[in-house]
Amino acid sequence: NAGVTQTPKFRVLKTGQSMTLLCAQDMNHEYMYWYRQDPGMGLRLIHYSVGEGTTAKGEVPDGYNVSRLKKQNFLLGLESAAPSQTSVYFCASSYAQGGGRNTEAFFGQGTRLTVV
Amino acid sequence: KQEVTQIPAALSVPEGENLVLNCSFTDSAIYNLQWFRQDPGKGLTSLLLIQSSQREQTSGRLNASLDKSSGRSTLYIAASQPGDSATYLCAVSGSGGYNKLIFGAGTRLAVHP
Repeated sequence: NAGVTQTPKFRVLKTGQSMTLLCAQDMNHEYMYWYRQDPGMGLRLIHYSVGEGTTAKGEVPDGYNVSRLKKQNFLLGLESAAPSQTSVYFCASSYAQGGGRNTEAFFGQGTRLTVV
Repeated sequence: KQEVTQIPAALSVPEGENLVLNCSFTDSAIYNLQWFRQDPGKGLTSLLLIQSSQREQTSGRLNASLDKSSGRSTLYIAASQPGDSATYLCAVSGSGGYNKLIFGAGTRLAVHP
């Protein structure tokens, strides 16, 4: 059981370049999330999705776009990368709240992005 | 706005000690609280999930408690081992829905032989 898989694991971008991070989950979770982790800070929510075809902004959405065309995939895009976007990016997924289900969040292994 | 604080930021102990890691949150209206472990350069591994209606959860040598009214959770690690060395993160999800997690900055634990 793969859980949550992120690609790529590492990437170096030049300022102004674009890229897409891919997240895939095989647990049939309704909810998916993108977080970023910076030194000395807790993880912060960028965008999230509560179902196929839906997305919403989190705490730090500026400079990022997302899409969820299939239930199992959640893509994070950087249209014009900036040095401030140097970070480690984590994807997560969970079942929807309600109905007595376990809403434990599962995380991928992360993508380490450096923008020079 | 919900804020999560973890104390201490770092901890170094000899093998065999029983440990308590603390997590506090400012808004008691939470849906659940989750403790994670993160090894250097790795992802987050879920340790324990406590629903807002629960007081504690146990898994092996780990026990997590939740006191919503005081905005506190503790993670108790019994008989610590060098393999427990990692960063421990606490996160809460609000009652507003969608299981969005607010994280603390973590406690970096080092257990030496």
